[in-house]
Amino acid sequence: DADVTQTPRNRITKTGKRIMLECSQTKGHDRMYWYRQDPGLGLRLIYYSFDVKDINKGEISDGYSVSRQAQAKFSLSLESAIPNQTALYFCATSDPGQGASGYTFGSGTRLTVV
Amino acid sequence: AQSVSQHNHHVILSEAASLELGCNYSYGGTVNLFWYVQYPGQHLQLLLKYFSGDPLVKGIKGFEAEFIKSKFSFNLRKPSVQWSDTAEYFCAAINDYKLSFGAGTTVTVRA
Repeated sequence: DADVTQTPRNRITKTGKRIMLECSQTKGHDRMYWYRQDPGLGLRLIYYSFDVKDINKGEISDGYSVSRQAQAKFSLSLESAIPNQTALYFCATSDPGQGASGYTFGSGTRLTVV
Repeated sequence: AQSVSQHNHHVILSEAASLELGCNYSYGGTVNLFWYVQYPGQHLQLLLKYFSGDPLVKGIKGFEAEFIKSKFSFNLRKPSVQWSDTAEYFCAAINDYKLSFGAGTTVTVRA
């Protein structure tokens, strides 16, 4: 099993719909992150959580919300999806003791908003 | 805060050619720098990292990077690329305990 699992792998949704992307990890790390990847822009941080009771906005949090249901689970929601949220979304977890070498990424969720 | 810029958006080269991808960072205190690779359809994988010490860092798959503090650079190199090196490459830096990424460079290696 993968260390970081994202579901779904691919999703097409309509403008205005609510959608949730899920992420679970088996690394036992406290820190989790959501990034979106757009061509020519790299990965940009949406939200991050350093433990179950901690939620922080990243660079581009508008239009998104998150829920940290447990140490292992960190979900990203689009309350009312819009076409410019079409992107590849990555979840990650990290071990602070290893710096960025302790980051583990999921395989990504490709979201298309039509 | 750190920011990261990558010079090249798309690089096309032939097998056995040498590769160098540019990366510059903005100064923001202690520097921790990384290169990641993303093969088509796959997630990010760490190629190499620099925290301190020897500025020439060797990573996996024959890649290396050189940290040049005076130039605020951390360029990635490989002496002889293979078709399997076709991928997107991201430079990244730690920013307030979080990774900040450059825009990425797409590398296409022609057989």
